Amino acid sequence: DTAVSQTPKYLVTQMGNDKSIKCEQNLGHDTMYWYKQDSKKFLKIMFSYNNKELIINETVPNRFSPKSPDKAHLNLHINSLELGDSAVYFCASSPRDRATEAFFGQGTRLTVV
Amino acid sequence: QKEVEQNSGPLSVPEGAIASLNCTYSDRGSQSFFWYRQYSGKSPELIMSIYSNGDKEDGRFTAQLNKASQYVSLLIRDSQPSDSATYLCAVIGAGSYQLTFGKGTKLSVIP
Repeated sequence: DTAVSQTPKYLVTQMGNDKSIKCEQNLGHDTMYWYKQDSKKFLKIMFSYNNKELIINETVPNRFSPKSPDKAHLNLHINSLELGDSAVYFCASSPRDRATEAFFGQGTRLTVV
Repeated sequence: QKEVEQNSGPLSVPEGAIASLNCTYSDRGSQSFFWYRQYSGKSPELIMSIYSNGDKEDGRFTAQLNKASQYVSLLIRDSQPSDSATYLCAVIGAGSYQLTFGKGTKLSVIP
């Protein structure tokens, strides 16, 4: 069984469109994250949710909005996509909200054309 | 600004040799340290965690932590071609919830 799963795996879309990436974890973890990995492979946190509450909101454009319907799901919605949004987006989860490791989903490669 | 620094490489070692990967961090209060392995096109995978000064061994992997020097390393003994990947150092700072990643070191093990 997949522990952290994201859909879709690949997403190609035009500038200006709105898209969503879904994430689900079956590990029973309390905290979920969205990371962005750019073309230089630098992995940077975007958001973190603990028990459905936002606990980190790094300086990302407000075109990005996370939604957590329950603690097993954390979706990422992106409005008005721009070329610079092209990257790999990873969802992750961890069993506690501090001082612990994260388990990653397989990633969503977003390409904006 | 909390930073985690790694040499981007590539680091090339012959098969069977010891690969040594290094990482420094800026937040002196950091308490948790991790090494992730990422194969090309795949997601990061946790391979080691270390929380106290000294060495921690797991199979062919040894993590070393020196908080006074703000330095953490990963040794891979008997390197195999399957170890060829990018290795990401990650740190959780004092009072923080989040992992801060270095930019990764690309390791190539030459058969």
